[in-house]
Amino acid sequence: GAGVSQSPRYKVTKRGQDVTLRCDPISSHATLYWYQQALGQGPEFLTYFNYEAQPDKSGLPSDRFSAERPEGSISTLTIQRTEQRDSAMYRCASSPNRGQQETQYFGPGTRLLVL
Amino acid sequence: AQSVTQPDIHITVSEGASLELRCNYSYGATPYLFWYVQSPGQGLQLLLKYFSGDTLVQGIKGFEAEFKRSQSSFNLRKPSVHWSDAAEYFCAVMDTGRRALTFGSGTRLQVQP
Repeated sequence: GAGVSQSPRYKVTKRGQDVTLRCDPISSHATLYWYQQALGQGPEFLTYFNYEAQPDKSGLPSDRFSAERPEGSISTLTIQRTEQRDSAMYRCASSPNRGQQETQYFGPGTRLLVL
Repeated sequence: AQSVTQPDIHITVSEGASLELRCNYSYGATPYLFWYVQSPGQGLQLLLKYFSGDTLVQGIKGFEAEFKRSQSSFNLRKPSVHWSDAAEYFCAVMDTGRRALTFGSGTRLQVQP
């Protein structure tokens, strides 16, 4: 696609519910990243994929958070048993994986509100 | 661990005035540095990046930034601000081992007519 897309753009859920967020990266990009951005803060790294492999998930805040990219393209981020502190903007980015000197291209984000 | 500090939370400038947004980083090796801009309802757009070479980097929309290793800084500048530049600006450093970007907390720019 022309850019990184994310859906839904907004999600309101009740505490305790599970939510799944979707990211569709730029079609030629091998690497996909997830970030969490709290209000008034910069994005914070959660995890990344290189194709379908997930080399680093050290940024996931708890085991309620998980991410998948089973076919090396679209990725989902799932938050189980949501808590109010999970309310944030969730941003996805992708990059071509041509080496270390890479630019990450960001999608518009999904704003999650947990009531 | 690496970190990025943007000392100015909020800056207001007049349209046509010059702009400098400050960014200081902490990173053990040669840093890869970025400036992104976030407009309301939009994703993060890359303004410019520094990997190596010339320490003065030109970006889009008339922005430039200068890498100063001795000061651990990567300040963003624009000689004449336009009303459309009003947005939030984020400086970031890449952890090349983890591929993760570490962002500052952002500077919100307001432009007065």
